[in-house]
Amino acid sequence: EDQVTQSPEALRLQEGESSSLNCSYTVSGLRGLFWYRQDPGKGPEFLFTLYSAGEEKEKERLKATLTKKESFLHITAPKPEDSATYLCAVMNSGGYQKVTFGTGTKLQVIP
Amino acid sequence: DSGVTQTPKHLITATGQRVTLRCSPRSGDLSVYWYQQSLDQGLQFLIQYYNGEERAKGNILERFSAQQFPDLHSELNLSSLELGDSALYFCASSSGGGGNTIYFGEGSWLTVV
Repeated sequence: EDQVTQSPEALRLQEGESSSLNCSYTVSGLRGLFWYRQDPGKGPEFLFTLYSAGEEKEKERLKATLTKKESFLHITAPKPEDSATYLCAVMNSGGYQKVTFGTGTKLQVIP
Repeated sequence: DSGVTQTPKHLITATGQRVTLRCSPRSGDLSVYWYQQSLDQGLQFLIQYYNGEERAKGNILERFSAQQFPDLHSELNLSSLELGDSALYFCASSSGGGGNTIYFGEGSWLTVV
């Protein structure tokens, strides 16, 4: 069964203090790994899709990387508006493209 | 704006009642997913449809059912509602091809009183 584990569950950073969020996964054939940002009471907002080990993608202060077992979301010099829950998900390569989500990392950036 | 539209945005109903949540996927997307998110909980996968056919079932209760219509919109029907069914219900869509991203709607807030 596909599994996604995110750590830490919660992270509190000072504004400007860079850090990384971890997503460990097991999947029966990876079709894609996704990162989302979710604000309270809102739908998850798509950030990145990674398809193969070694791939990296960047968007503003965020950078996502992928290995065969885990993905990292690096946050450089975060700002208070980066506060949100960050979700990781994997899609397997099976016939119906099952998607499994982690429980997320709740990030709080303090001014 | 993800392009996925959900209605209603908010709904308050009594225990024992039945409600229908509606989802219009992004233009051209064939796959529709339904998720439930209770307060401070993770996303629980309910069910997936592809081009009108059920593709996968997750933790969906027997009191819940869904369908995808020929125009690709989808409905999630929740019946015999209980207090514990109060949650945010999300619809998401993808094109259904290889490695495709899932885009989420803003959700339907259901409160059962």
